[in-house]
Amino acid sequence: DAGVIQSPRHEVTEMGQEVTLRCKPISGHDYLFWYRQTMMRGLELLIYFNNNVPIDDSGMPEDRFSAKMPNASFSTLKIQPSEPRDSAVYFCASNTQGASEKLFFGSGTQLSVL
Amino acid sequence: TQLLEQSPQFLSIQEGENLTVYCNSSSVFSSLQWYRQEPGEGPVLLVTVVTGGEVKKLKRLTFQFGDARKDSSLHITAAQPGDTGLYLCAGEMGRGDMRFGAGTRLTVKP
Repeated sequence: DAGVIQSPRHEVTEMGQEVTLRCKPISGHDYLFWYRQTMMRGLELLIYFNNNVPIDDSGMPEDRFSAKMPNASFSTLKIQPSEPRDSAVYFCASNTQGASEKLFFGSGTQLSVL
Repeated sequence: TQLLEQSPQFLSIQEGENLTVYCNSSSVFSSLQWYRQEPGEGPVLLVTVVTGGEVKKLKRLTFQFGDARKDSSLHITAAQPGDTGLYLCAGEMGRGDMRFGAGTRLTVKP
């Protein structure tokens, strides 16, 4: 299995632009998680899905952030409009039984908003 | 304020030395995980501890879960340059709700 695949690996954009991050979970995994990592705040859970349904989005910072999972093999995290404080590494992770089980992380998307 | 406080934040040691890093909280967790993250990659799970007082060993790494399930430690014996990385602890608050500490950044010099 190729593991969790995220794209793009790096994204540089200007403030106010829309940013879309993509994730393909491991086949057969029914939980998908989006995390954001910064030096100041560490790794923060933004939202997670079970069987394509959002279960908890309380970590989404504000309305500028939205996430979708249209099918079992694809999820997006969108920021519109983006701001410099959104600069971070965004990770997608998946597993089979929720967070108490091993999380398989992608390699992340390094986002820089200028 | 982090729910999980990890210490030290940075640690730089020589190859062959022993070290211990800590993960502390005022909250009780149903389980706690330790991950290692290398630059440019996502975290990789090292171990999961579930029972208060539990000790798990993974080669030169020893993990302990506190009796009250609020804290944990990771001890590395005879550290090697390959142990270099960011060590993260993560506690399960509830199903699907895994909270991470900010991590301990370890550098082992040859």
